[in-house]
Amino acid sequence: KAGVTQTPRYLIKTRGQQVTLSCSPISGHRSVSWYQQTPGQGLQFLFEYFSETQRNKGNFPGRFSGRQFSNSRSEMNVSTLELGDSALYLCASSISGTSAGTDTQYFGPGTRLTVL
Amino acid sequence: AQSVAQPEDQVNVAEGNPLTVKCTYSVSGNPYLFWYVQYPNRGLQFLLKYITGDNLVKGSYGFEAEFNKSQTSFHLKKPSALVSDSALYFCAAFYGNNRLAFGKGNQVVVIP
Repeated sequence: KAGVTQTPRYLIKTRGQQVTLSCSPISGHRSVSWYQQTPGQGLQFLFEYFSETQRNKGNFPGRFSGRQFSNSRSEMNVSTLELGDSALYLCASSISGTSAGTDTQYFGPGTRLTVL
Repeated sequence: AQSVAQPEDQVNVAEGNPLTVKCTYSVSGNPYLFWYVQYPNRGLQFLLKYITGDNLVKGSYGFEAEFNKSQTSFHLKKPSALVSDSALYFCAAFYGNNRLAFGKGNQVVVIP
């Protein structure tokens, strides 16, 4: 079974631009979560989608948004990019997304975003 | 607040020696704990998790972890380290609504 895929793998943008990242979960997985990884802040939760609905959101500004499609694929969008948005953005999928916490989240390889 | 602490920045170990990566947690309710490994320019790979049951959890690539409720710890262990185990290791705790709180990560360096 194919793992979580993310596209593109690398992106270079300039301040003020916007960017869209894509994530395809493992087949049969319905929950998709997004995390931001930076050297200073480590791994931080952005948001989680299940059945096309955002269920949970981390402590990030409204410039960060996302959506999920009926096939469980997800996209995240960052508008008005800032230098501090440079990071590795990781997507993770889990089979049912139960709030009980017993599902394992499987991560994709990430998208490396560089903002100049 | 839920939190995970990995007190050491880097762990150096000689190849063939036992490897231990430390993790302590602070969560309300039942702790659901995970270990992931990250190789350069790669995403996180799942190693193992503790949900309930035996305190010693066995995972991928010969890794295991010991859950200790009284010490609120979940240390990752491997009896005999390989050079290929050199990577960044993350401990994580579930803290509700399908979210994971991660520790800062430990760089493991296995010396040949």
